[in-house]
Amino acid sequence: NAGVMQNPRHLVRRRGQEARLRCSPMKGHSHVYWYRQLPEEGLKFMVYLQKENIIDESGMPKERFSAEFPKEGPSILRIQQVVRGDSAAYFCASQREGQGSNQPQHFGDGTRLSIL
Amino acid sequence: EDQVTQSPEALRLQEGESSSLNCSYTVSGLRGLFWYRQDPGKGPEFLFTLYSAGEEKEKERLKATLTKKESFLHITAPKPEDSATYLCAVQESGGKSTFGDGTTLTVKP
Repeated sequence: NAGVMQNPRHLVRRRGQEARLRCSPMKGHSHVYWYRQLPEEGLKFMVYLQKENIIDESGMPKERFSAEFPKEGPSILRIQQVVRGDSAAYFCASQREGQGSNQPQHFGDGTRLSIL
Repeated sequence: EDQVTQSPEALRLQEGESSSLNCSYTVSGLRGLFWYRQDPGKGPEFLFTLYSAGEEKEKERLKATLTKKESFLHITAPKPEDSATYLCAVQESGGKSTFGDGTTLTVKP
């Protein structure tokens, strides 16, 4: 059973470009979470999605950031007009059951985004 | 707002020297407290879930305990391969998880 797959593992963008980060959840998992991690810091919640729905986006900046989890295909975290401060590791996690589940989240190995 | 505080930030132990990591939390509607291990360049790896005060879970040299306000991760006779960052997270009733900043453990041979 494959784990959570994130790609690319490393992404370099210049200021003003767009970054697209992909996440395929574990088989049987219908809920996806995105987190951002800065060096020497913990994971900061960004957004929680289920298929075709955003459940909680309270941790995501209102400007330039968007996320989706379509009926078919991976979840996408999109950052438009990137700035230097967007440089971070972005982790995706998936979970088995529905909203409010107390099952553990399983993480991918992240995408490391560097902005030149 | 939910808060999770981990201490110490960093811990250096000699191989075989047992110790504990602390995770203090405030949350409305706790659904679970989770411990993860994170190695450099990797995503967090799930270790334990604790649901109610008094609960304990064990795995090899690790044992996690939970009270109403904090959790401890006890490491007995650690080995160098236990070196990693240990993360604690609480999940609220809405599904969102709040993570602490982690404790970086270094075990010297």
